[in-house]
Amino acid sequence: GENVEQHPSTLSVQEGDSAVIKCTYSDSASNYFPWYKQELGKRPQLIIDIRSNVGEKKDQRIAVTLNKTAKHFSLHITETQPEDSAVYFCAASTPWRQLTFGSGTQLTVLP
Amino acid sequence: DTGVSQNPRHKITKRGQNVTFRCDPISEHNRLYWYRQTLGQGPEFLTYFQNEAQLEKSRLLSDRFSAERPKGSFSTLEIQRTEQGDSAMYLCASSYISTNEKLFFGSGTQLSVL
Repeated sequence: GENVEQHPSTLSVQEGDSAVIKCTYSDSASNYFPWYKQELGKRPQLIIDIRSNVGEKKDQRIAVTLNKTAKHFSLHITETQPEDSAVYFCAASTPWRQLTFGSGTQLTVLP
Repeated sequence: DTGVSQNPRHKITKRGQNVTFRCDPISEHNRLYWYRQTLGQGPEFLTYFQNEAQLEKSRLLSDRFSAERPKGSFSTLEIQRTEQGDSAMYLCASSYISTNEKLFFGSGTQLSVL
């Protein structure tokens, strides 16, 4: 089955700096890669996703890049703010199959 | 709130007892998923339904676990003879059927087995 590795497990950045979280996947048939943000005690919320037919997608301060050849994808957050502090999960799925999640990255934005 | 709803939010039980959780998906969604999340880990897939049919079960789902989705609406997850290792957050998610679906999660049920 699919295996998703995520790193780093923790990341601290100064407010205003950029944060990058990286994931690798094992199944070359995977074609959907969402990112979820989970604040303490709350539900995971979808923040951005990308499909394998595109290499990059941006939504305001958030962007995701995908390298299908290397089987890795990354989340980029620019101009970080304290409210960006949360756990971020990457995930991957093949067509018609369930999502497999990474182990998460605790992002702390220091004021 | 028209999102995914889960009840109860918290459940404390003694080892060996049975527990049941409920999930009400977004009304127009026909797929419903159960995931388990332990501290410091990502959600792990347990099982999913398309309408009322249970299409896949993870090997994480032992014989003590059973899930139902009668009439393709709400779903229940029952754990029999609970063990301390069952302590976790149980998350429900729903989506439209498609080749890749955007999952919308509920707030989860936090189970503590003493």
